[in-house]
Amino acid sequence: EPEVTQTPSHQVTQMGQEVILRCVPISNHLYFYWYRQILGQKVEFLVSFYNNEISEKSEIFDDQFSVERPDGSNFTLKIRSTKLEDSAMYFCASSRQGFMNTEAFFGQGTRLTVV
Amino acid sequence: SQQGEEDPQALSIQEGENATMNCSYKTSINNLQWYRQNSGRGLVHLILIRSNEREKHSGRLRVTLDTSKKSSSLLITASRAADTASYFCSIGSGNTGKLIFGQGTTLQVKP
Repeated sequence: EPEVTQTPSHQVTQMGQEVILRCVPISNHLYFYWYRQILGQKVEFLVSFYNNEISEKSEIFDDQFSVERPDGSNFTLKIRSTKLEDSAMYFCASSRQGFMNTEAFFGQGTRLTVV
Repeated sequence: SQQGEEDPQALSIQEGENATMNCSYKTSINNLQWYRQNSGRGLVHLILIRSNEREKHSGRLRVTLDTSKKSSSLLITASRAADTASYFCSIGSGNTGKLIFGQGTTLQVKP
């Protein structure tokens, strides 16, 4: 069964460093998303991406964050100048369509720890 | 806030019993999706129910949606220890597919 894959599963980084979280969405999906979940808290929407551009972003997704689809398969989240409060589980998701009531499938997540 | 709010926050039952979790929301929706999350793991999609649907089944899962009350429920019948997890409802609205999640219900099924 097709699935969303994320790498790495764990990432430890020094405060102030840049990290890139990688995702391979399901191949025939057109909409891509990043969410994050701070330990013990709810899952929060960061950004949606369609047709090679951001279609919506939350207040969390400020200039520190960027997304890219560098080729036909990968979808990346870059976090610049990481802060302690960026420590969280980051989930990538994809769906076949955005608004036409199709399921969004999530990857297993990347646990980011900023020290 | 658009977010779904689950109730109860925590639920502990014996294996074989049914578990019911509720979700309320505040805005109009395109769909409502339920997810399961095992501790420290990813989100597993369970069921999507569209705004024009009232009930949906998948195996031991039954989801209802009442748009007049802006609420949904997830029923797990004949629960198993392996059902122990957190369950989240998420609201799909707008035209980008963004999902807004609630805080979740933590379900413990005792063997």
